[in-house]
Amino acid sequence: KNEVEQSPQNLTAQEGEFITINCSYSVGISALHWLQQHPGGGIVSLFMLSSGKKKHGRLIATINIQEKHSSLHITASHPRDSAVYICAAISGGGADGLTFGKGTHLIIQP
Amino acid sequence: EAGVAQSPRYKIIEKRQSVAFWCNPISGHATLYWYQQILGQGPKLLIQFQNNGVVDDSQLPKDRFSAERLKGVDSTLKIQPAKLEDSAVYLCASSSFLRVRSGNTIYFGEGSWLTVV
Repeated sequence: KNEVEQSPQNLTAQEGEFITINCSYSVGISALHWLQQHPGGGIVSLFMLSSGKKKHGRLIATINIQEKHSSLHITASHPRDSAVYICAAISGGGADGLTFGKGTHLIIQP
Repeated sequence: EAGVAQSPRYKIIEKRQSVAFWCNPISGHATLYWYQQILGQGPKLLIQFQNNGVVDDSQLPKDRFSAERLKGVDSTLKIQPAKLEDSAVYLCASSSFLRVRSGNTIYFGEGSWLTVV
């Protein structure tokens, strides 16, 4: 069974700071989702990646399949980035193929 | 492209009452999922449909939860009777493939927030 661990669980930072959220998993996977969940809103998929790095605006996601680790970075953070960030490993566990982390609650203060 | 639609967005009920949530997936998506997300935790799969058939309902508390997708399009999730611990966000998601793999993705709805008092 795949275990997906995220750190930190909670993160409060000042506007403009560089943010890093980490995700590690115990079993080999084919790819990994980074998801964003705003208070009162649903979940949006930010990235799905299986190797290397992807960038979208101020968001960067990296993954190292051998080390079973992925990171989500936010550059020049803004209060609107405040949300819960969830990583989900695509590993074949369960019928849906997804194993979710518990999420990182990020608050960016102005 | 329209996203996954869910209703109602918010519901407050007393324990032992019943509630139903509705989901309309993205057009053409054969696979539909219902997840339960308790505050502070990641989503937990309750049930997965492929068209109108159930693929996995192993984590669905069948004594009180039921779900159907009669025509293979929209779906309803019902809780009867509700307990305090059912307070959670109920997320519907859809995908064009049976299982999420590298190269395809899963789309989530806005969620239905349930508070049981």
